[in-house]
Formats: sequence, C-alpha cells, structure tokens
Amino acid sequence: QKEVEQNSGPLSVPEGAIASLNCTYSDRGSQSFFWYRQYSGKSPELIMFIYSNGDKEDGRFTAQLNKASQYVSLLIRDSQPSDSATYLCAAEMNRDDKIIFGKGTRLHILP
Amino acid sequence: EPEVTQTPSHQVTQMGQEVILRCVPISNHLYFYWYRQILGQKVEFLVSFYNNEISEKSEIFDDQFSVERPDGSNFTLKIRSTKLEDSAMYFCASSEPGGGGETQYFGPGTRLLVL
Repeated sequence: QKEVEQNSGPLSVPEGAIASLNCTYSDRGSQSFFWYRQYSGKSPELIMFIYSNGDKEDGRFTAQLNKASQYVSLLIRDSQPSDSATYLCAAEMNRDDKIIFGKGTRLHILP
Repeated sequence: EPEVTQTPSHQVTQMGQEVILRCVPISNHLYFYWYRQILGQKVEFLVSFYNNEISEKSEIFDDQFSVERPDGSNFTLKIRSTKLEDSAMYFCASSEPGGGGETQYFGPGTRLLVL
C-alpha cells in the first residue's frame, strides 16, 4: 500500500516566522512530489512540485526532496495569516498517474 | 484562466438513490480523474480516465461507481445506489497529455450528503 504520511498538526507559527512542514512517503518508486494548500471546504490548490533531490524555491515557498530518506518538506518564509490552511503532501509514481495524498497538516499562523 | 467546473456544488440524496456528478474539464486536457474526500480525512483517488476508457481505479471504485464522457466536454461520475458512507466531497481533476501531476487541475468539488 502506497502511503504518504504527515503530522496532522495543528502547527502554530507566529506571523513573519518560517513554517516548516514535513512528509514521508513509502513507495521508493515515486517520481514526483507535490504540496497542495486546502482551505476548509475548498479544493486542493497546487503550490509547489518537485522531482529532483534538493531544494526548489518559488517566492516565499521552498520545497525540499530527499529521495534516499523518502522525505519531502515545505518551508514557508515570512508566514502570513492567509497561509493558515491545511497543507497536503502528495506523490505520483509516473506522469499522468494518480496522485496519492497525505492526510494534511493544519497550519495556523498567529497574528 | 481555464478552470475545471463541477455541478452541482451540493447534492443531498436518500440512501439507495442514484446520483450523477458532473464535471467539465479544461478543454485541451485529455486525462480525467475523480477523487473524493470524506470530511476530516485525506483526499482519495477513485478513478482515472483516458482515451474513453478507465486507466486505473482504486478499491473504492466498485461496481456501484461508473464514469462516462458522454460528449466532448462533460465527464460524469455516477453512483448507482448511494450508501451513507458515500457522503463526501467529490473532486474532478484534469491534466494535459504528458503533463504529470503538476498540471492536474482540480475543480471546486461537489459536496454529496447521503441521508
């Protein structure tokens, strides 16, 4: 059974600080990894994707992938109250394949 | 910006009734997906569809479920005889050919409540 594991939180971070979200995956064959943001009652919204080991930066967001440790993380710099949401980590084996989601980590940015 | 649309946004039905959830994928996309999310739980894959046939389906997608692309624009999920445990948010997604998950766009969802 392919699994993506996340701490459910909530993770509380002061406004302006760095939020660090972590995720592990069970299937070593997974090729692509995604971070989605989901506001309550809304659909998942893609924030970042990463294929290669190392870091990938996009604005205030940095995704990190370590395939040897089967570990993915998301850093959010200068956290804003609008970043308060559930963050879903997800993995895909091959292109056009289904996406396997983790349960999500609830992030709360404290004003 | 193109987007995936879904109707209805909410559906309430009696147990045992049939429901059809509708999706209009992004026009040039060729891969279509249904996911569901039971309240408080993770998003779960149901089925993927390409070239007018199912590519893959999960254990959840049993004989009560079916998908169809009745015309060039709609993609539907039918639940023949709904159960209480079918109550969930159902998301449709589509992606362009060869695009991978980074181009898998999600619709706003249909909240299904089975009474």
